[in-house]
Formats: sequence, structure tokens, C-alpha cells
Amino acid sequence: AQTVTQSQPEMSVQEAETVTLSCTYDTSENNYYLFWYKQPPSRQMILVIRQEAYKQQNATENRFSVNFQKAAKSFSLKISDSQLGDTAMYFCAFMTATGANSKLTFGKGITLSVRP
Amino acid sequence: GAVVSQHPSRVICKSGTSVKIECRSLDFQATTMFWYRQFPKQSLMLMATSNEGSKATYEQGVEKDKFLINHASLTLSTLTVTSAHPEDSSFYICSAPNRIVAQRPQYFGPGTRLLVL
Repeated sequence: AQTVTQSQPEMSVQEAETVTLSCTYDTSENNYYLFWYKQPPSRQMILVIRQEAYKQQNATENRFSVNFQKAAKSFSLKISDSQLGDTAMYFCAFMTATGANSKLTFGKGITLSVRP
Repeated sequence: GAVVSQHPSRVICKSGTSVKIECRSLDFQATTMFWYRQFPKQSLMLMATSNEGSKATYEQGVEKDKFLINHASLTLSTLTVTSAHPEDSSFYICSAPNRIVAQRPQYFGPGTRLLVL
């Protein structure tokens, strides 16, 4: 079974600064997908970024980028130029790439507050 | 894009009544959909996997007779909370993976807030 660990329950960052959210996971599989989802106060889950395990290049989406370290089983999210609208819970998630099962395994989440 | 709608967004009901929540994939087909439950400030807890044309798969500890799931078409899944009680009050979220998109990401509905009095 896979596990996803987000050890920091809360973080705070000043607007316009950079913040990194950590995530580690455990799996015996070699091919899989990793995701970061954002859940703002509206509670709508929004896909932020995704990474394929067999791609060494770190995924980037505008101000969001990941540091994917496969050997260390680490998948951190970096948010650059933080904006007030980035205030949300962030969830790291794992999904196996084999078979048709698209079940996600989520971490506990981290609450990020962006200070004006 | 990939949009998932959920209806209703909020429902208040009396104890003992049944509540139906709909989940629709608006611009893609979904042979599989997922139903989650979430308590405030906590992670999503997977309840069951809804499969088009076959029975749903329930996670351990989830009562299948309590939470009825029907995947009526490639774009619609429903969750019925039968004989609801106050402890069923929660935030319910559905999701659907878009299999034609790389990495098959799941797209989530906006959620349904259920309050059982």
C-alpha cells in the first residue's frame, strides 16, 4: 500500500515571497503519478500540478514548480511570488500508473496562509 | 478543460430521510467516479469507487446499504445517503479521472455540504 506524508500542518508566508511545501511518499512501484491539489476556502479542489515518476524533469506551472526526488521519494511544491489567493489547504497525492485504477492516495494536507 | 458538477451544493434534512447527491462530468466521459467525505481541516477520505455498468466498490468501514451509489451513465454518478442521521453530516465530494489527459488527473466537483438535523 502507498502512503503520502505531509508533516507540516500549517505554514505562513509573506505576500510576494517564495514558500516550499514538503511531501514524502512510500511505494514499491516504479511507475506512478504525483499531484498537488489546492483547496481554497470555497472547498473546491483544484489541480495545481502533476508529475510522472519516469520523467526526471520537474514539472512547472507558472508560479508553481515541484522538486521531485524519486530516490528519496520526495515531491515538494514551490510557490513563487506568493499571492493572497494562494491561501488554501494543499494536498499532495499519489496514483499508481499501472492498471485502470485511478484511485488517489492523499496526504493529510497543509494549511498555507499568505500574509499581506 | 475538465469540469465536474455536483448537485445540490448544500442540503439540510431531517434525521431519517434520504438524500441524493448527483455528480456529473460535463465535458468528458467517466467510466469511474470517486466519492469522498471530508471533515473540516482534514484530508479527503475515499468512501467508494463508482463504476459505470457495474457495482460500486466500497472502502473498508463504509456501509454500502447506507451509502447507495449508482453510476447511471458515462457522465453521471449518484450517491444516496439513506436514513440519514446527524453523524452523516459532512462535506461530500465527487471526482472523475479524465483518462484522455496525460497522467489521468482527477477533477473534482464543488462538493455538497450535508447537514442532518
